[in-house]
Amino acid sequence: AQTVTQSQPEMSVQEAETVTLSCTYDTSESDYYLFWYKQPPSRQMILVIRQEAYKQQNATENRFSVNFQKAAKSFSLKISDSQLGDAAMYFCAYGDSNYQLIWGAGTKLIIKP
Amino acid sequence: ETGVTQTPRHLVMGMTNKKSLKCEQHLGHNAMYWYKQSAKKPLELMFVYSLEERVENNSVPSRFSPECPNSSHLFLHLHTLQPEDSALYLCASSQDSGRDQPQHFGDGTRLSIL
Repeated sequence: AQTVTQSQPEMSVQEAETVTLSCTYDTSESDYYLFWYKQPPSRQMILVIRQEAYKQQNATENRFSVNFQKAAKSFSLKISDSQLGDAAMYFCAYGDSNYQLIWGAGTKLIIKP
Repeated sequence: ETGVTQTPRHLVMGMTNKKSLKCEQHLGHNAMYWYKQSAKKPLELMFVYSLEERVENNSVPSRFSPECPNSSHLFLHLHTLQPEDSALYLCASSQDSGRDQPQHFGDGTRLSIL
């Protein structure tokens, strides 16, 4: 069975600096999708970025980018120029072949002004 | 974003009560999901509906009963819950149930069992 591990329960970063959130996963599949979602306090969970496993190129969305290392089964999220509005829980998720997203336990990101 | 709406936002109920959670999506999606979110734990998928048919039931106790009358509405009927069922219940939808599909979430219902 697939598993997703986020080893950092909490991270903090100074406003305007760069932070990287870690995610590793375990799977025997070769074709899959990976996601990062963001859940601000008392607000909706929203998609940050999506990566297709068969694509070598790392996905990028404005200040958010991933470092996808397929062989190492690693999928980290880099947030550049951190802003106060980036404070949230960040969840890594794996899209498996049985309609499911397998989720990590989340990383709480604190932005220091 | 108001694409997925959940009501009520908060619910307090005794263990012998019967209540229902409601979810409505205005995105024209064909798949809908119920998740349970507990503190410091991964989201737990409870049910998946695709085109109004249940395609996944992750060994959820029978005190949780889902209903999907059409592709826009999803209900979670609650009966004889236990204190450990206190959690945030999230509804989500996606265009279809494929593994590549981003999911759109509601604000959730915060459920407290007395």
